[in-house]
Amino acid sequence: GNSVTQMEGPVTLSEEAFLTINCTYTATGYPSLFWYVQYPGEGLQLLLKATKADDKGSNKGFEATYRKETTSFHLEKGSVQVSDSAVYFCALRTGNTPLVFGKGTRLSVIA
Amino acid sequence: DADVTQTPRNRITKTGKRIMLECSQTKGHDRMYWYRQDPGLGLRLIYYSFDVKDINKGEISDGYSVSRQAQAKFSLSLESAIPNQTALYFCATSDATAIVSSYNEQFFGPGTRLTVL
Repeated sequence: GNSVTQMEGPVTLSEEAFLTINCTYTATGYPSLFWYVQYPGEGLQLLLKATKADDKGSNKGFEATYRKETTSFHLEKGSVQVSDSAVYFCALRTGNTPLVFGKGTRLSVIA
Repeated sequence: DADVTQTPRNRITKTGKRIMLECSQTKGHDRMYWYRQDPGLGLRLIYYSFDVKDINKGEISDGYSVSRQAQAKFSLSLESAIPNQTALYFCATSDATAIVSSYNEQFFGPGTRLTVL
């Protein structure tokens, strides 16, 4: 079946630090990969996605590259801001299946 | 206006009570989903529906039921609430327009925080 494993948090960084949140997956078939973000008190919103190997998704300074050989989709940002404090979820889907999520990683950025 | 709305936003109830959580969408999507979020466990799928006549169980459907009243409405019921159903519940929608179906993202409502005492 499909599953996602992402690094456990919480992660606490100073403003302007480099961020990496690791995500690896197991999938039956060829998955599309997603990162969702949940800001405090809100629902989830799509941050970025990639649909085939070697694709790079990017948005708001965040990037993630679909690595089929290592079954990974790590999230990175070069310089985090306080406003990036949120919970980040890696997710995948294959075909018509609903999204399968990792457990989430809470990021806190301090000024 | 929000595209995916959930009511109520917060609910406190007692063990044994029947509870209904409602989800409405104006996105025109056929596909709708219910997830629950628990700290440290991420989001887990309860039920999903690909159209009005289609209902499918997810990973954790025991203790829950759903009703797809219309394309735009998908309700989740707890027939007899118990304390371990205390969680944050999210409704989501997606369409099926992408050439490859897995490309379609899901759009989430703001969530309903349910507490069962």
